[in-house]
Amino acid sequence: SQTIHQWPATLVQPVGSPLSLECTVEGTSNPNLYWYRQAAGRGLQLLFYSVGIGQISSEVPQNLSASRPQDRQFILSSKKLLLSDSGFYLCAWSLGGLTGELFFGEGSRLTVL
Amino acid sequence: RKEVEQDPGPFNVPEGATVAFNCTYSNSASQSFFWYRQDCRKEPKLLMSVYSSGNEDGRFTAQLNRASQYISLLIRDSKLSDSATYLCVVRGPPNNAGNMLTFGGGTRLMVKP
Repeated sequence: SQTIHQWPATLVQPVGSPLSLECTVEGTSNPNLYWYRQAAGRGLQLLFYSVGIGQISSEVPQNLSASRPQDRQFILSSKKLLLSDSGFYLCAWSLGGLTGELFFGEGSRLTVL
Repeated sequence: RKEVEQDPGPFNVPEGATVAFNCTYSNSASQSFFWYRQDCRKEPKLLMSVYSSGNEDGRFTAQLNRASQYISLLIRDSKLSDSATYLCVVRGPPNNAGNMLTFGGGTRLMVKP
């Protein structure tokens, strides 16, 4: 069966510090991978998605970046965090096609102080 | 107009009650539809897909009305454990990079003893 893991689960970072969140998927090949952010009391905002190794699409301009160095690994990064980067970050995967469902990792709660 | 719109609630209902949520979507070419459940400070989890003919899973019934562009979720015999935020999710038409999911802001349900 397929599993998805992301880490760290919780982190508190000062403004201006770097960020790296990692996500891995097991049990499937060539998944679509996604990074979402959910601000407190808000809906999910798609940040990045990837349909293959090295292929990254950004949905919103920001100081975050994403990379996919391996088929089942997705990384979210920042060189300098802003206060507004605080939120609940969710990695997700789906198979391609018209009816594929989305499956989420456990989430990473980031607080920028 | 938001792409996917939900009443944020909260819906406060007693145990055993029947409660229904609606969700409207703006893109008539949307391909598939889902309801997700999100517990407080947790990741969203797929509750059920929504099929054109309507579908039922135990106490949960989902309906799709393409003509009016809305989907609904009916919960019968509410349990305390049904308390959560219910997210309406719509997959758009395919494009060169894939077919993307759009999340509604969620409807919060609180079931009281």
